[in-house]
Amino acid sequence: EVQLVESGGGLAQPGGSLRLSCAASGFTFSGYWMSWVRQVPGKGLVWVSRIDLDGTTTTYADSVRGRFTISRDNAKNTLYLQMNSLRAEDTAVFYCTRLTTLLAFDIWGQGTVVTVSS
Amino acid sequence: QSVLTQPPSVSGAPGQRVTISCTGSSSNIGADYDAHWYQQVPGTAPKLLIYGNNNRPSGVPDRFSGSKSGTSASLAITGLQAEDEADYYCQSYDSSLSAYVFGTGTKVTVL
Repeated sequence: EVQLVESGGGLAQPGGSLRLSCAASGFTFSGYWMSWVRQVPGKGLVWVSRIDLDGTTTTYADSVRGRFTISRDNAKNTLYLQMNSLRAEDTAVFYCTRLTTLLAFDIWGQGTVVTVSS
Repeated sequence: QSVLTQPPSVSGAPGQRVTISCTGSSSNIGADYDAHWYQQVPGTAPKLLIYGNNNRPSGVPDRFSGSKSGTSASLAITGLQAEDEADYYCQSYDSSLSAYVFGTGTKVTVL
């Protein structure tokens, strides 16, 4: 079964850090670009970051560039999102997603909740 | 913040047909980037419903169909069913922003 399972969410203080992980299974992880998408409860979906097959090229939304870092370990079939200098407005559910060649997000994890509050 | 505009809500009786519009611009849908659609039942993760403007992933009923014209895309649901009650989002790529963009979202209510 093709599956993405996120972990690492939780409560962080403003200015703090968290590292999200996403374990992939059921497909050839190294053969796909991967991405993170977030959603404030009750609000819409917002793309956060994307990484290519071997981690050479990464892109970020303006709102997180310089604070978040996406990475991957193809040997461990795992995607990461290092989040630094967290702000209250980063509070959201973070989804790990697989990106297709048509630039659609075809597989989604169940999401992990990040809350930034003092 | 969203560059793709959708109506906030649409509704219909069981068995009816509803459509959801997604209005973009010359830097995303109008730039020949594909439109994709997602269904999200409250409390669950989004699910890919339509990809590449008008293609259904395996397992998606043929009651769902997509189309694209100019700078806009549309999702149609025919034979509306109670389980179709959910939030729907369109998505594309924007070359000016160098970002993947989502629509504002539409809540579908089955009367």
